Amino acid sequence: KQEVTQIPAALSVPEGENLVLNCSFTDSAIYNLQWFRQDPGKGLTSLLLIQSSQREQTSGRLNASLDKSSGRSTLYIAASQPGDSATYLCAVIYNFNKFYFGSGTKLNVKP
Amino acid sequence: NAGVTQTPKFRVLKTGQSMTLLCAQDMNHEYMYWYRQDPGMGLRLIHYSVGEGTTAKGEVPDGYNVSRLKKQNFLLGLESAAPSQTSVYFCASSSTENTGELFFGEGSRLTVL
Repeated sequence: KQEVTQIPAALSVPEGENLVLNCSFTDSAIYNLQWFRQDPGKGLTSLLLIQSSQREQTSGRLNASLDKSSGRSTLYIAASQPGDSATYLCAVIYNFNKFYFGSGTKLNVKP
Repeated sequence: NAGVTQTPKFRVLKTGQSMTLLCAQDMNHEYMYWYRQDPGMGLRLIHYSVGEGTTAKGEVPDGYNVSRLKKQNFLLGLESAAPSQTSVYFCASSSTENTGELFFGEGSRLTVL
């Protein structure tokens, strides 16, 4: 079974801080990697999708990078805001649309 | 812009009762999935479908059945609910293209007493 690990499991930072969330995977033969945000009691919202041929993707204050050879992806959040508080999950996508999820990082941004 | 829609959003059942969760997507996606999410267990795949008329077992299929009679709909059934099936259920869909971007519904919270 593919292993996807997210570290840390929880993170608390003051507003305005830049932060990095980590996602690691055991099998580097991925097609794509997707980052999601989940608010309490809600579904998963797609943030960024990185294709295997790409090294990074950016959307606003978010930047996701992918290093297939080392089995790692990072999600960088610039100038964090209280509204960024949520759980962030990564999903690694293999052939035939097989998805493997990490257990998430719960982020709390303090005002 | 409906995307993926799940009904119902909340349901309380007694042990042994049956029910069906409905998932509908309007993106013409081939792949559809049912997951359950439990505290400390993350997302676990129950069943999935790679196209109309097809279904396949995921990681935790026992106690559930599914059907994909129409491309846009994916039904999850519980024939005899058990307290262990208390969970939040998420439906998701993705296209056949190897971009494979996954889109989720808002979830259905099921409590089995």
